[in-house]
Amino acid sequence: ETGVTQTPRHLVMGMTNKKSLKCEQHLGHNAMYWYKQSAKKPLELMFVYSLEERVENNSVPSRFSPECPNSSHLFLHLHTLQPEDSALYLCASSQRESYGYTFGSGTRLTVV
Amino acid sequence: AQSVTQPDIHITVSEGASLELRCNYSYGATPYLFWYVQSPGQGLQLLLKYFSGDTLVQGIKGFEAEFKRSQSSFNLRKPSVHWSDAAEYFCALDTGGFKTIFGAGTRLFVKA
Repeated sequence: ETGVTQTPRHLVMGMTNKKSLKCEQHLGHNAMYWYKQSAKKPLELMFVYSLEERVENNSVPSRFSPECPNSSHLFLHLHTLQPEDSALYLCASSQRESYGYTFGSGTRLTVV
Repeated sequence: AQSVTQPDIHITVSEGASLELRCNYSYGATPYLFWYVQSPGQGLQLLLKYFSGDTLVQGIKGFEAEFKRSQSSFNLRKPSVHWSDAAEYFCALDTGGFKTIFGAGTRLFVKA
């Protein structure tokens, strides 16, 4: 399989639940990203990992916790979310910074 | 300040007509610029990128973009639009350090 794969595609969770989003890339890229896409707002960069080291944490609340165990996998652990966290969460990868991203199809998260 | 502006929230064109989507940027150095397309329920796909050199860049799906430094613009064009081009289009500016600024997007509607 090629490209960037995100699972699950859809997730509904209660505010007290704990869940995880998974991202996997088969492109040999060395940087991975989490973005949040909400209606009527620009894409928001959440986290960046380069060579498995976190290089960016864009003032994201601690209820979002990223994990990058290797260069091919990225997780976003979620706990005690709020309804305003409902959004499309996109994972992306790049060979290097400034080369452009390959995005996954996203996880549509609904917090109830 | 670094920014990307897409002045048109949505545009409607007839199938077979030409298309131009506008993008203006603000950046103090030589910009790395990108155009992405997002179909409903999907992630973003890279259409084309500009780093330096020839100011007219060709992309996938018959799209091209022209970089004009004097106008701080990077407009996307297609000579003949197909119904399958209906989607949202994002202009993006790489500012280095794994940070990319995305425009708010322009939604393209194609009428028969």
